[in-house]
Amino acid sequence: IAGITQAPTSQILAAGRRMTLRCTQDMRHNAMYWYRQDLGLGLRLIHYSNTAGTTGKGEVPDGYSVSRANTDDFPLTLASAVPSQTSVYFCASPGHLFDLSYGYTFGSGTRLTVV
Amino acid sequence: AQSVTQLGSHVSVSEGALVLLRCNYSSSVPPYLFWYVQYPNQGLQLLLKYTSAATLVKGINGFEAEFKKSETSFHLTKPSAHMSDAAEYFCAVTDAGQGGKLIFGQGTELSVKP
Repeated sequence: IAGITQAPTSQILAAGRRMTLRCTQDMRHNAMYWYRQDLGLGLRLIHYSNTAGTTGKGEVPDGYSVSRANTDDFPLTLASAVPSQTSVYFCASPGHLFDLSYGYTFGSGTRLTVV
Repeated sequence: AQSVTQLGSHVSVSEGALVLLRCNYSSSVPPYLFWYVQYPNQGLQLLLKYTSAATLVKGINGFEAEFKKSETSFHLTKPSAHMSDAAEYFCAVTDAGQGGKLIFGQGTELSVKP
């Protein structure tokens, strides 16, 4: 593993079903983020975690939950999927929480289709 | 509140022509600015970044961007487009007031015609 790993790569999900998108990093970074990417809207922040044990809401948190039990893992859960949650989901981590010049490292994304 | 505006959701250029992708930002404090590139079915890759060291920033693959505070702009340019430059490009901003969170523009899809 190098960087951020997301799973699954893609998924078709029936509306109303529960789904957990997995994100694992091997960089030992403190902060992790979940974004969704939609055409014409760019990337929007769903939830974030500045360190293990803490989480926060981003711009579009409704319908999603996260947990951060340890430094490496940051799963995103859709409790009851709806078609509007069809999107590409990216997990990301900044190189340094307090040095903003580092930018982010991104996972390869999960393409989710809710039908 | 911070925001990023990318002018033009789609830009098409001929191979060898100048590439210009526009980005304007709003930030009440000195910003950190980034350009990311996303090739089809891939994640985002850092192209270049402005962190106040120099206003003209050079990135990978021949791209560069100039930070203009008076215009609140951070446009991305490349003198001569290659077919391999076809991708989605995102401008992003953060500052000390955002706790490290990046705010992204809507994205610009670059097409390169032979």
